[in-house]
Parts: sequence; C-alpha cells; structure tokens
Amino acid sequence: EVQLVESGGGLVQPGGSLRLSCAVSGFTFSSYEMNWVRQAPGKGLEWISYISSSFNTIYYADSVKGRFTISRDNAKNSLYLQMNSLRAEDTAVYYCARDDFSRRVFDYWGQGTLVTVSS
Amino acid sequence: DIQMTQSPSSLSASVGDRVTITCRASQSISIYLNWYQQKPGKAPKLLIYVASSLQSGVPSRFSGSGSGTDFTLTISSLQPEDFATYYCQQSYNSPRTFGPGTKVDIK
Repeated sequence: EVQLVESGGGLVQPGGSLRLSCAVSGFTFSSYEMNWVRQAPGKGLEWISYISSSFNTIYYADSVKGRFTISRDNAKNSLYLQMNSLRAEDTAVYYCARDDFSRRVFDYWGQGTLVTVSS
Repeated sequence: DIQMTQSPSSLSASVGDRVTITCRASQSISIYLNWYQQKPGKAPKLLIYVASSLQSGVPSRFSGSGSGTDFTLTISSLQPEDFATYYCQQSYNSPRTFGPGTKVDIK
C-alpha cells in the first residue's frame, strides 16, 4: 500500500524556520518525482515545489523561491521541505504528493501537516 | 504561468442531479488537464487525468471532456459522497497550476 506521511509542522514565529518531512512507503521512492502542495485555511491548492527522481531538476513557485528548499533522501525514502524566513501568508496545510510523470498526475498524497506562522 | 479558472465557484445540487463544472486555461494545454476531489480535512483525490481518463477505482458517474482551453467535469448522478470541492489542474507545463475550486454542496 502506498503511504505518504508528513511531519514537522507546527507554530513558528514570523521570520522563523521549519523543516517538513514526508516519509513514504509502498513504492520505489527513487523512481518518482515528488511535489509539495499547500492549502491556506479556507483556500485552494497551491503547488509550491517539485523535485525530480534524480535530484537534477527542481522547481519552486515564485511565492516561496529563495526561502524554501526541497530535497530528498532516496536511501531513507524521504522528502523534505526546508522553510526559512516564514511569513504569515505561509500558514497552510502542507501536502507531499507523488508525481506519476508518465500520466502527469499527482496520484498519491499525504494527509498533510499544518504550519502556522504567527507571533 | 498558465492561469486556470473554474465556474461556478460553488453550486447547490440534490442527490441524483447531473452536475457539470467548467475549467478554462489561459492558453492551450492540449489534453493535459486533471481533476481532483477534496473533502473537508482530507487530502485531494485524483479523479480524472488527461482530460477524460478515469483514475482506477473512481466511479463511472464521473467523466471529463475537453481539449485546448476548455474542459468539463460531469457527475452524471450526484451521490451523497460526492459533496466536496473539485479542482482542475493543468499538467501541460510547470508550474502545475490548480484552478480555484468548485464547491458542490447539498441543496
């Protein structure tokens, strides 16, 4: 069974940092591209970052470029999102999502982890 | 970036109704359009990919159509478990932008 489990969310002050993790199981992690998608309270879905299976391609949304860093550890079956210089508008549920590149879909999602940026 | 719009933003319908949601892209995206369903407090779930292909396990009352810039998601006979928010997403290029969502609730 494919599973993605996010962790690392919580309350952080503006300007602070947080590192999210996504532990996966049930598939060959090293063969898949991965994404982070977030959803602010009561709002829609916002794609924020992508990493290829071989690490050589990374994309960011303009809203997080220069502040967030996506990475992965294929040996640990884990995806990460390092978030620095956090702002109130970064408050959201953050989801990791598997990218089935052959069909161009996000086919499996984690349950999400809530990040709240507030003083 | 490709901008996605959806209409309506919300709708009220009854069980058994036929429901149609429209998604429009700011430029041609061929058939690279996906639909997701999201229920409150849950992660999105893939319904339709490349405009009209049904994801495994998704009921056949869901269907998708369209190409270029205009797409539709149709639920042929709305069931109680279908009350949710529906998002389109273009997969033509990166960033894989989402539409703003259409909330389907009970009339």
